[in-house]
Amino acid sequence: EVQLVESGGVVVQPGGSLRLSCAASGFTFNDYTMHWVRQTPQKGLKWVSIISWDGDTTSYADSVKGRFIISRDNTKNSLFLEMKSLKTEDTALYFCAKEATVHTYGYHWFDYWGQGTLVTVSS
Amino acid sequence: EIVMTQSPATLSVSPGERATLSCRASQSVFTNLAWFLQKPGQAPRLLIYGASTRATGVPARFSGSGSGTEFTLTISSLQSEDFAIYYCQQYDNWPLTFGQGTRLEIK
Repeated sequence: EVQLVESGGVVVQPGGSLRLSCAASGFTFNDYTMHWVRQTPQKGLKWVSIISWDGDTTSYADSVKGRFIISRDNTKNSLFLEMKSLKTEDTALYFCAKEATVHTYGYHWFDYWGQGTLVTVSS
Repeated sequence: EIVMTQSPATLSVSPGERATLSCRASQSVFTNLAWFLQKPGQAPRLLIYGASTRATGVPARFSGSGSGTEFTLTISSLQSEDFAIYYCQQYDNWPLTFGQGTRLEIK
């Protein structure tokens, strides 16, 4: 059974930093591109970042470019999102999501999502 | 970016009846569209990809149709577990974008 479990979400002050993690199981992690997506009641679901199955290729939404870094450790079946210079508008529920097809990068749907971890940026 | 617009925002339907949800893209996404549902506190669940292909384990009462800019998700006979929020998402163009959701509630 595929499982994605996010962690690391906390309350942090504006300008602060945070590292989110996503523990994956039930599939061959190093064969799949992974994504981060965030959700707020006001703005809905927004795609944040993508990393290829081998970690060599990444991309970011304009709103987080230069502040967030996506990475993965295929030896530990884990995905990460390093978040810096946090803003109040980064407050959201953050999901990791698995791309459906082996060795693809984007242009494919997500077949599994985690339940999310809540990040609150507030003074 | 491609804007995805779902309608209606809320749909009230009785169990056993049919529900029809719509999703419109601001430009063609061909058939690069997925539908998924989300319940409070749960992970989003994939229902449909390629606009009309049911994901593994999804009941046959769920069907998707459309191409280009107009898409429809139909649930033929609503079960209690189907009441949730439904989202469409395009994966044809960057950035990936989502509709704002349709809340399907019990009438």
